[in-house]
Amino acid sequence: DGGITQSPKYLFRKEGQNVTLSCEQNLNHDAMYWYRQDPGQGLRLIYYSQIVNDFQKGDIAEGYSVSREKKESFPLTVTSAQKNPTAFYLCASSKGPYLEQYFGPGTRLTVT
Amino acid sequence: EDQVTQSPEALRLQEGESSSLNCSYTVSGLRGLFWYRQDPGKGPEFLFTLYSAGEEKEKERLKATLTKKESFLHITAPKPEDSATYLCAVPHNQAGTALIFGKGTTLSVSS
Repeated sequence: DGGITQSPKYLFRKEGQNVTLSCEQNLNHDAMYWYRQDPGQGLRLIYYSQIVNDFQKGDIAEGYSVSREKKESFPLTVTSAQKNPTAFYLCASSKGPYLEQYFGPGTRLTVT
Repeated sequence: EDQVTQSPEALRLQEGESSSLNCSYTVSGLRGLFWYRQDPGKGPEFLFTLYSAGEEKEKERLKATLTKKESFLHITAPKPEDSATYLCAVPHNQAGTALIFGKGTTLSVSS
């Protein structure tokens, strides 16, 4: 059963701690993305990767980092430099340019 | 700057009461417009892609249409299970294959 998995579903951290969100896909998609969603806001692009070992900053990359060592995996690290990390984080993948993206179930991160 | 604007922000309908959601965009050289459905606390679910003005796509009670400046999502005889937030997105021209999303329209259908 192909799809995108994100773990954990809920994550709680203290301020000042780095935290890594997992994203795995078995759709054999080349491109993967991280978005952030806040209440009343649209999805905003954090980072994206079009092929393995390559990734680019999106619109709100400050305070975040990623890696893309395997085609299937695109983990996101929320660092202590991110000023407002509490949000709903969504990972997506697509087969290619200008094609639909498929989303994972999301991780809700709460930092106190 | 590329932008996507959805209206209304919220829409309340009675079961069976048809209506339309709007998505207007300002991008140069549109390379697709995408509609998603999002239930509370879940990831968006892909509905439709439209690539050219005049194109229409249908799925059950939903029909998406596209003009040169906007797209409509028509909901015919909605049911309570159609209640969700509907998101519209276009390709992000400054970020490869990523998408720019509107803020969504939250639809509530009561029986």
